[in-house]
Amino acid sequence: SQQGEEDPQALSIQEGENATMNCSYKTSINNLQWYRQNSGRGLVHLILIRSNEREKHSGRLRVTLDTSKKSSSLLITASRAADTASYFCATEGDFGNEKLTFGTGTRLTIIP
Amino acid sequence: DAMVIQNPRYQVTQFGKPVTLSCSQTLNHNVMYWYQQKSSQAPKLLFHYYDKDFNNEADTPDNFQSRRPNTSFCFLDIRSPGLGDAAMYLCATSNFGGETQYFGPGTRLLVL
Repeated sequence: SQQGEEDPQALSIQEGENATMNCSYKTSINNLQWYRQNSGRGLVHLILIRSNEREKHSGRLRVTLDTSKKSSSLLITASRAADTASYFCATEGDFGNEKLTFGTGTRLTIIP
Repeated sequence: DAMVIQNPRYQVTQFGKPVTLSCSQTLNHNVMYWYQQKSSQAPKLLFHYYDKDFNNEADTPDNFQSRRPNTSFCFLDIRSPGLGDAAMYLCATSNFGGETQYFGPGTRLLVL
């Protein structure tokens, strides 16, 4: 299976601290994306990083990609209570078949 | 606002009673996806349409069918729901395959 794995499965931090989540995957990719899912809701796209990129920023988000290690990390700086959610990485394989494969997710809880 | 809409948000059905979930989009995207997500798990792709071209995942049970009568609408039919089909069903769209996906809020299916 190409399904990615995320680490940790759950993370609790104090508001204002930084949160780091990691994603590993198994096969070559075109891009890797991060999504957020609030409890009982749909997923919201956060950021996309292509296979030829190493780092990308968007507001308080920083994503890195290491294709040699088949891994990515998502850093959320200065966390807020509203960041409490599940975070999923998703990869598009380099065979370009219009599909994403989602990782197992990290449940992030921000403690006010 | 352009969006992905899913109806109903909650659906209760009886064991073996056919049920249809609907998804509509105002984004005019070519690709539409159906995912199944069980509690605390990653979304699992059931099938997707690239325009009218239907693509079924190899491990999607025959019990699950889909229709896309036009660009805007897509339906998920569960012919004989079992208890194991209770889950959140997510519809998503994208403009091009493998790029950012836009998710609806999901339909939570309960099978009694």
